[in-house]
Amino acid sequence: DAGITQSPRYKITETGRQVTLMCHQTWSHSYMFWYRQDLGHGLRLIYYSAAADITDKGEVPDGYVVSRSKTENFPLTLESATRSQTSVYFCASSAGTEQYFGPGTRLTVT
Amino acid sequence: EDQVTQSPEALRLQEGESSSLNCSYTVSGLRGLFWYRQDPGKGPEFLFTLYSAGEEKEKERLKATLTKKESFLHITAPKPEDSATYLCAVPLGPGSARQLTFGSGTQLTVLP
Repeated sequence: DAGITQSPRYKITETGRQVTLMCHQTWSHSYMFWYRQDLGHGLRLIYYSAAADITDKGEVPDGYVVSRSKTENFPLTLESATRSQTSVYFCASSAGTEQYFGPGTRLTVT
Repeated sequence: EDQVTQSPEALRLQEGESSSLNCSYTVSGLRGLFWYRQDPGKGPEFLFTLYSAGEEKEKERLKATLTKKESFLHITAPKPEDSATYLCAVPLGPGSARQLTFGSGTQLTVLP
């Protein structure tokens, strides 16, 4: 299906485990983004990527790692999950200035 | 300090009762103001981009306007399906214009 997809949609993991959230888009948009959304903080940018092999930090990058070997994929890895990383994670992509968001991944760290 | 603030936090309207949502920002050199709609359990959906004071955009019952300090999202004769959280976002700071800072949103409920 065309668009932007995220997997898994729901994930429960334990403190200290590594977890990777996947994001795939079929539009060939050059820009991709990762946000987290928490009550009281709204949407905050974690990392973004202008093109394959080009990534940059957003507002809250600590504890996260990203890579972008292919234009269509932008995985987000939590190398050692902490409870403070419990959140809803959204991936987005854009060709111009408007960003188009995926359905989100709800991550719970126990 | 550059920031973006939305008000009210929540708004309940009767069907057909028009109102406005506010997004105020403090940034030197606005590089665009974006409105999004977010339904529960879903990702934000793009609505409008505004760049210049005086600019207006419309889509169905929604009209977004922009001044030098704030933007309004006017909802005319709303229907229950307009119930959602409305988010505004602006690029803040010296980084890329694609680095958006989002407001905390206005949760709109339209009662039948």
